[in-house]
Order: sequence, then structure tokens, then C-alpha cells
Amino acid sequence: GAVVSQHPSWVICKSGTSVKIECRSLDFQATTMFWYRQFPKQSLMLMATSNEGSKATYEQGVEKDKFLINHASLTLSTLTVTSAHPEDSSFYICSAEGDMALYFGPGTRLTVL
Amino acid sequence: QKEVEQDPGPLSVPEGAIVSLNCTYSNSAFQYFMWYRQYSRKGPELLMYTYSSGNKEDGRFTAQVDKSSKYISLFIRDSQPSDSATYLCAMRGSGNTPLVFGKGTRLSVIA
Repeated sequence: GAVVSQHPSWVICKSGTSVKIECRSLDFQATTMFWYRQFPKQSLMLMATSNEGSKATYEQGVEKDKFLINHASLTLSTLTVTSAHPEDSSFYICSAEGDMALYFGPGTRLTVL
Repeated sequence: QKEVEQDPGPLSVPEGAIVSLNCTYSNSAFQYFMWYRQYSRKGPELLMYTYSSGNKEDGRFTAQVDKSSKYISLFIRDSQPSDSATYLCAMRGSGNTPLVFGKGTRLSVIA
């Protein structure tokens, strides 16, 4: 099946710093990638849709200047959490579209101290 | 009414039992239906993917779609403790429409 990787798998940072998370589709090309956020025991919350070569589309309530998304190629999308604060601590998951189904990465656990 | 309804559980069954997980939906435009399994602190893993009404079987898993009733099911036969996870249903319409998820059902299979 299609494989999506994420890096790093976990990160701890100080408040005020920026953190970049990479999402790669390893064996297929993905025109569209999605970024989700998930709090403990909660469902997935779509943050933004990332389209290769164009600006990302953000869901209502998601600050585009705080969560910068760059979809530089058909296999790579990055999410940068700028000036991170403790309330940004969460599990961030990317997914890539292939064959009308979504394939998810393993997730990145961000802890902001 | 939410677009996709899924009982969050938790659902606890003994090992070897048949598990039935269900979702209902309201949007008749949905055509593609998926089931994902998510272990704690991991990304969701695609289990089953179906298009249109009918049954699809893969090993111990059977996905069932009834478009007339707007109802989908996932059956797990001979359930194992390793099946303990959260199961998410998801669906979408045609074209580049977003995937809509259920809230997930937490399943525990007790040895």
C-alpha cells in the first residue's frame, strides 16, 4: 500500500521557537496533502489542505500565519508551527491523497514547554 | 444533524467475538467509503476502501455499504487483542471533495 512518512516523530521545544514538520509520500505522487491535529482521545481535526504549487487552504479558525504550509513538490509538504506556545502542543498528522483514499503518516507529537 | 455519525463506544468484546462497527451519514453525495484503524499515538491506517453499495471482504474484515439506508458497517471476525484500537469511518463524494470522518469507535478485545 501507499506509504506516507513524517519527520520528526516527536519534538520538544521551548515556547517562542518555530518547529518544522515534514510529510513525504514515499511511493506515489500526491497533488494534495492534508494536515490534521488531534488532541488526546479526540477525533482528527482538519487544519488545512495543501496543494502542490499553490497556497494552502486553511479551515476556519486555523491561523495561516501561525501554521505555515509549503507543498514544494509532489512528494513533500511541510508544516511550520511559528512562535509555538504550550497550547500548540498536540499530535499533528499529515495525509496524502492517492486512488481516492487518504493515506496517513505516523504523526508528530509536539510538546511546547 | 452531523454529516457522519459514529458511536464512540467504548466497545469491549472477548477474544474471538465478531465485532460490528457502524456509521450513518446524511449526505447522499458520498460515494467513497473508508475504514481506518488508529492505534494510540499513531496515524490512522487504511483498512478498507469501498465504492458504491455492497460488501467487500479482506481477511477477517468485511466492509458493508448500504447507500439506500446511508449506513456503513465494518465486521471483524475472530477478533484478537491486537485489534484493540480506535476505528474511524470516513467518506467523500466525487472529485476533489474533502474526506469527512466519524468521531471513531474505541474497541477493546479482551483475551
